[in-house]
Amino acid sequence: NAGVTQTPKFRVLKTGQSMTLLCAQDMNHEYMYWYRQDPGMGLRLIHYSVGEGTTAKGEVPDGYNVSRLKKQNFLLGLESAAPSQTSVYFCASSYGQLYNSPLHFGNGTRLTVT
Amino acid sequence: DQQVKQNSPSLSVQEGRISILNCDYTNSMFDYFLWYKKYPAEGPTFLISISSIKDKNEDGRFTVFLNKSAKHLSLHIVPSQPGDSAVYFCAASGEKGMKTSYDKVIFGPGTSLSVIP
Repeated sequence: NAGVTQTPKFRVLKTGQSMTLLCAQDMNHEYMYWYRQDPGMGLRLIHYSVGEGTTAKGEVPDGYNVSRLKKQNFLLGLESAAPSQTSVYFCASSYGQLYNSPLHFGNGTRLTVT
Repeated sequence: DQQVKQNSPSLSVQEGRISILNCDYTNSMFDYFLWYKKYPAEGPTFLISISSIKDKNEDGRFTVFLNKSAKHLSLHIVPSQPGDSAVYFCAASGEKGMKTSYDKVIFGPGTSLSVIP
């Protein structure tokens, strides 16, 4: 019973490099989310998806792109990494709208951009 | 400007005593509130929630109180146990009358709770 799995767990990038973070869930959830956690800022929503083939912007979408080609996977891309993107990234999923379906989180990806 | 505020970055409590974690929000249209708990190197896990039509919700040792007029909620843990030591995030969702706003959750910055044996 894996739940929400994020890969990789850690990554160091140089400024200007690109990378993709992968999130996979095995709970057949419709909704998937990408958050970043920074000290003193809580969790801020980057992008989210309400179903396969859909994506929408959250609070802090600039510098990121996402894709949801399969229901179980939600990819977060950084095309040209910047030091301001150093953070811990969390993926989450839920089966429905959040008033009746709490978020299930992965264990995070710690990204450092030098 | 933060819509969900947790003004105490940290809190220490003796084992067996009550822990009270506070949260304030600025948007009076928020309709649903949640608390998540996070251990180091793990993702947050859902703890308890409350709808704006209620003023209290209880689940075992955890109780959440909502004061809509003050735009304030609190999480009470009684009795506190060492295993409760974690970061607690307050979160809000939904704006009355806007169905799609339930798709997003706004989190506060978190309060780190230490329960001392």
